[in-house]
Amino acid sequence: SQELEQSPQSLIVQEGKNLTINCTSSKTLYGLYWYKQKYGEGLIFLMMLQKGGEEKSHEKITAKLDEKKQQSSLHITASQPSHAGIYLCGADWPGGGADGLTFGKGTHLIIQP
Amino acid sequence: EPEVTQTPSHQVTQMGQEVILRCVPISNHLYFYWYRQILGQKVEFLVSFYNNEISEKSEIFDDQFSVERPDGSNFTLKIRSTKLEDSAMYFCASSAHPQLQPQHFGDGTRLSIL
Repeated sequence: SQELEQSPQSLIVQEGKNLTINCTSSKTLYGLYWYKQKYGEGLIFLMMLQKGGEEKSHEKITAKLDEKKQQSSLHITASQPSHAGIYLCGADWPGGGADGLTFGKGTHLIIQP
Repeated sequence: EPEVTQTPSHQVTQMGQEVILRCVPISNHLYFYWYRQILGQKVEFLVSFYNNEISEKSEIFDDQFSVERPDGSNFTLKIRSTKLEDSAMYFCASSAHPQLQPQHFGDGTRLSIL
């Protein structure tokens, strides 16, 4: 079965610092999705990556997908308290139809003032 | 911005009882999903639904689960005879296309089985 590994599991960062979260698949992905979840709440869609080498940015968050489509990173520049939460990567693989996404375990991000 | 809405936000049910969780997907979306998240664990796929039938289901989605689109707006998940281990957060999601568009999630229903 396909699995996604996320690292680190948790991250404590001082406000204003940059950080990176990683997501790795053992097989080539079809699409990679980044979501943010606040504790006990729903998943908020951040970005979708589908092409090898693709990079997308929204405000201070940049997501990249490597050329092999097996590894993605999420980078936050100049972190703010509003960035705190759980970041989840989700993926689907070639051959899927309306299959659901497989998610990683998440990265808990804490921003220290 | 359109959003997926789920009701109730919290459901407490006695073991063995039936429960129905409700979702209103984004109006122009055609693909619907249920996921669950047991406390402290990963978000897990349960089932996908398109054109009034199940497209895919996971091993978790056994005979005690069923899904339905009873009208043009609602999408429901029924658990026939709840067990303690069904306690979890259940998320509904919808998308305009299964792999070309992202899934948008609701805020979830927290199901507590006593």
